[in-house]
Amino acid sequence: EDKVVQSPLSLVVHEGDTVTLNCSYEVTNFRSLLWYKQEKKAPTFLFMLTSSGIEKKSGRLSSILDKKELFSILNITATQTGDSAVYLCAVRIIQGAQKLVFGQGTRLTINP
Amino acid sequence: DTEVTQTPKHLVMGMTNKKSLKCEQHMGHRAMYWYKQKAKKPPELMFVYSYEKLSINESVPSRFSPECPNSSLLNLHLHALQPEDSALYLCASSQVGRTGGGDTQYFGPGTRLTVL
Repeated sequence: EDKVVQSPLSLVVHEGDTVTLNCSYEVTNFRSLLWYKQEKKAPTFLFMLTSSGIEKKSGRLSSILDKKELFSILNITATQTGDSAVYLCAVRIIQGAQKLVFGQGTRLTINP
Repeated sequence: DTEVTQTPKHLVMGMTNKKSLKCEQHMGHRAMYWYKQKAKKPPELMFVYSYEKLSINESVPSRFSPECPNSSLLNLHLHALQPEDSALYLCASSQVGRTGGGDTQYFGPGTRLTVL
């Protein structure tokens, strides 16, 4: 069974802290790993990772994939209250058509 | 433009009603998806359409009936729903997956459905 596991499930930090969110996976027919941020409504896309060891960066957010150890991390530096959200990790697999297998999400709360 | 639109934003229906959810994208994507998301849970895949043909049905009850009338539109017809079907219904679209590569799914804002 295809599985994506995120940790921690919940994290509360103070503004300015750095956080690391984890995502491990066991799937067949891996194609890519995606990170999404979900506030009140739709998940918004952050990163897509397909190759091991290549860091993707966008402002204070960065992510990297390890295809040998089957995990990815999402780092957020100098956190702000606007970073409070659920961060979803999803692995894209091919099963006839492409589908995303989601992890449970990490609920991140940034306190001022 | 990476926008996926969904209507309505909110829907309240009784168990005997028939209603439809609509999703539209103009990004030229040929894969479209319906997800169901309950509170504090990740999205669960319901259906995948690829080139306007149903390619994945994740054992969804027949009271949910998807339709893809053209490459830009995706509907979800609802009939005789149960209160436990109340959830956020998300539509997404992407390029059709290529071997060895990855394609991002872009999500719409969702329809919050309440079944009384």
